[in-house]
Amino acid sequence: GAVVSQHPSRVICKSGTSVKIECRSLDFQATTMFWYRQFPKQSLMLMATSNEGSKATYEQGVEKDKFLINHASLTLSTLTVTSAHPEDSSFYICSASRDNSIYEQYFGPGTRLTVT
Amino acid sequence: SQQGEEDPQALSIQEGENATMNCSYKTSINNLQWYRQNSGRGLVHLILIRSNEREKHSGRLRVTLDTSKKSSSLLITASRAADTASYFCATSGGSYIPTFGRGTSLIVHP
Repeated sequence: GAVVSQHPSRVICKSGTSVKIECRSLDFQATTMFWYRQFPKQSLMLMATSNEGSKATYEQGVEKDKFLINHASLTLSTLTVTSAHPEDSSFYICSASRDNSIYEQYFGPGTRLTVT
Repeated sequence: SQQGEEDPQALSIQEGENATMNCSYKTSINNLQWYRQNSGRGLVHLILIRSNEREKHSGRLRVTLDTSKKSSSLLITASRAADTASYFCATSGGSYIPTFGRGTSLIVHP
């Protein structure tokens, strides 16, 4: 149990376009979902924390108007990168936690975004 | 910052040898977790050790925690080529949200 999926796994888009990444908890209800960004050979940087039905909490330095997060249900959160630029190219990973185990996060397989 | 710092950054060993990775952090924590990440993939949770625990085992994995030294170690015994991956420690303090270190890249040669 505790499987998290992400879609798409890879996406290439042109500068100025928007890209939506979905994160789903397949077999459990995710009270909280997290979005991370990871550069090559670097750590995961938390971008935002989202709870179902409420606005996401963004980390300092993350533009909330550029990275739109919607946590529409207990099994789905989406990250939309708006007006993407080449510097937004990165590996985006989501994770989800359950009510009874908030310290343990279950990670999705990640989405590789390339902006040309 | 609670961010853990893994050491070494890279480790290359032969199959069958043991691999030890260390993690140091700066502030007090509630728990520390170790994760594994295969290249270009998501993270897999390995072990969570709480601040009042000193050692935990899971299969070929052994994690120790020394809160007085603010450090943890991950030992993989009898390593296999399939253990090749990056390993991250993540610490949680007042907030339950873990903060990740930069990771140790482990290569196990067959």
